[in-house]
Amino acid sequence: GAVVSQHPSRVICKSGTSVKIECRSLDFQATTMFWYRQFPKQSLMLMATSNEGSKATYEQGVEKDKFLINHASLTLSTLTVTSAHPEDSSFYICSAPGVRGRYNEQFFGPGTRLTVL
Amino acid sequence: AQTVTQSQPEMSVQEAETVTLSCTYDTSESDYYLFWYKQPPSRQMILVIRQEAYKQQNATENRFSVNFQKAAKSFSLKISDSQLGDAAMYFCAYRRSSNQFYFGTGTSLTVIP
Repeated sequence: GAVVSQHPSRVICKSGTSVKIECRSLDFQATTMFWYRQFPKQSLMLMATSNEGSKATYEQGVEKDKFLINHASLTLSTLTVTSAHPEDSSFYICSAPGVRGRYNEQFFGPGTRLTVL
Repeated sequence: AQTVTQSQPEMSVQEAETVTLSCTYDTSESDYYLFWYKQPPSRQMILVIRQEAYKQQNATENRFSVNFQKAAKSFSLKISDSQLGDAAMYFCAYRRSSNQFYFGTGTSLTVIP
């Protein structure tokens, strides 16, 4: 079945550095992928829509210069958190639409836990 | 903008009993989908059940069923014969036709043995 992977699963970085998170669709192509952010014991908040071959679309209130998204191929989207600060510490999840059986379905990655010291 | 509201931050149910989780949403769109997802401690999102807005019939999936009231914009999840493995965070979600998901705040379900 369709699988979405994320790398790394955990990352710890120093304040001021940049961190890149990868999201891959393993056995299907995805022209769009989505990035979510989840704080502890809170909901998933949609950050942006990643579009292959074009610019990402950001949700209101999300800083596009802070969270750089690149959809390099039909199976890879990357989220780069630039000049990370402790308040950026969170759980980041990506997803991609695919097909399971006769249904269109959204496949979620396992998430990346970012800790900024 | 789409908003999804779950008014029950925590719920508990006795094993083998039935529990209903509430969800309401707000939208001006006519074409959309509604989902319930389960998120265990591993944080992996697991699809529980889906409902197409254009379908009047309530979706069912084994022990899981929904009560979809389109006019009231209500989408509740009923779990029958609750099992210990059902314990998790449950999120109600709204999906636009363009595939963006908007999640509710979640309900933490505890199953009491």
